[in-house]
Amino acid sequence: QQQVKQSPQSLIVQKGGIPIINCAYENTAFDYFPWYQQFPGKGPALLIAIRPDVSEKKEGRFTISFNKSAKQFSLHIMDSQPGDSATYFCAATEYGNKLVFGAGTILRVKS
Amino acid sequence: KAGVTQTPRYLIKTRGQQVTLSCSPISGHRSVSWYQQTPGQGLQFLFEYFSETQRNKGNFPGRFSGRQFSNSRSEMNVSTLELGDSALYLCASSPIGGDTEAFFGQGTRLTVV
Repeated sequence: QQQVKQSPQSLIVQKGGIPIINCAYENTAFDYFPWYQQFPGKGPALLIAIRPDVSEKKEGRFTISFNKSAKQFSLHIMDSQPGDSATYFCAATEYGNKLVFGAGTILRVKS
Repeated sequence: KAGVTQTPRYLIKTRGQQVTLSCSPISGHRSVSWYQQTPGQGLQFLFEYFSETQRNKGNFPGRFSGRQFSNSRSEMNVSTLELGDSALYLCASSPIGGDTEAFFGQGTRLTVV
């Protein structure tokens, strides 16, 4: 049972573009929503995270937008670079460190 | 500060065998979680240990087990290996447990033949 739905599956943007990755959840008990970046052969690395009492959070070129009523959240990458090419995962957790991950989005930034 | 260390990095086992994977968390971290990553199922939670106690468990059969030692190092064991157990097994450590940042290791790539 997929509790966090992520889209799109893959995404190609030009350098400088703003890729947007969307996630939706159903479990209203989720209260922590991190995004992870994974390069081939590496483990996922935490990019940015948000809690439901905040509608937007920015860290460098990465922004999370959160819509609690719609149970949706998204990742925007400003001024994307070829080095941002990776797989991105959204996740959610309701307690402890039991992360529920989305299926992942493969991002390619063309130079 | 050293990151999360997982050993071995690669492993090839035969169906029916058992395997033990090891994870050393970041110094001072007390929570260790394990995940299985496959192309078909994505990243799936196996279990979490905090202060040597299993605190959360995912939907995996009893062949998958784990433990945590007093120094927070953790091991996971898979018995009676099946072809479908081939995956990247990832360990993540967190400072105190609860919804805090989870830092992942590079994983152990297990291939069952």
